[in-house]
Amino acid sequence: EAQVTQNPRYLITVTGKKLTVTCSQNMNHEYMSWYRQDPGLGLRQIYYSMNVEVTDKGDVPEGYKVSRKEKRNFPLILESPSPNQTSLYFCASSFGAFGEQYFGPGTRLTVT
Amino acid sequence: GQQLNQSPQSMFIQEGEDVSMNCTSSSIFNTWLWYKQDPGEGPVLLIALYKAGELTSNGRLTAQFGITRKDSFLNISASIPSDVGIYFCAGLVTSGTYKYIFGTGTRLKVLA
Repeated sequence: EAQVTQNPRYLITVTGKKLTVTCSQNMNHEYMSWYRQDPGLGLRQIYYSMNVEVTDKGDVPEGYKVSRKEKRNFPLILESPSPNQTSLYFCASSFGAFGEQYFGPGTRLTVT
Repeated sequence: GQQLNQSPQSMFIQEGEDVSMNCTSSSIFNTWLWYKQDPGEGPVLLIALYKAGELTSNGRLTAQFGITRKDSFLNISASIPSDVGIYFCAGLVTSGTYKYIFGTGTRLKVLA
């Protein structure tokens, strides 16, 4: 089944404790993205990747890191999480930037 | 950064009514997309528009890419209860980057 998977689905952590949210797709997509969704603000793109080893900033990259060492995986790293990073995070992938983006199920992160 | 103004923010309608929502921007986009998000899930692409003036239908949905490339609208005809959800517009920025800008969403509630 074609899908985008994210882990974990739910995470509660404390300020400053490094964490990684994994994202994996099995559709051989080149373009992958991370978004955060906050009430009243819609989805905001954090980082995107056009292909392996090619990443670029979205609209809200501060406080986040990404890497793309393999085509199928695009982890999101929070080196020192802060409470303002409490949000619902989505990973998405597509065939190229213009293609239909398939979204993962979301990861709800709470930073206390 | 760039913003997409989406309206209305929310709407209640009777089953069977037509619905219209729109998105405007101060910037030009070369691609407009419309997504729907059901509770607890990631957004799903409804319609993609690639050319100014383009009018595209997908079942009861019709969307248009504004001629100025700064706006788009989505119409839903003869709404049904399963149309409930949040609808997002999104624009793809392609000048030196390939990042997505999403609107803040229109929450649709259908009264049976």
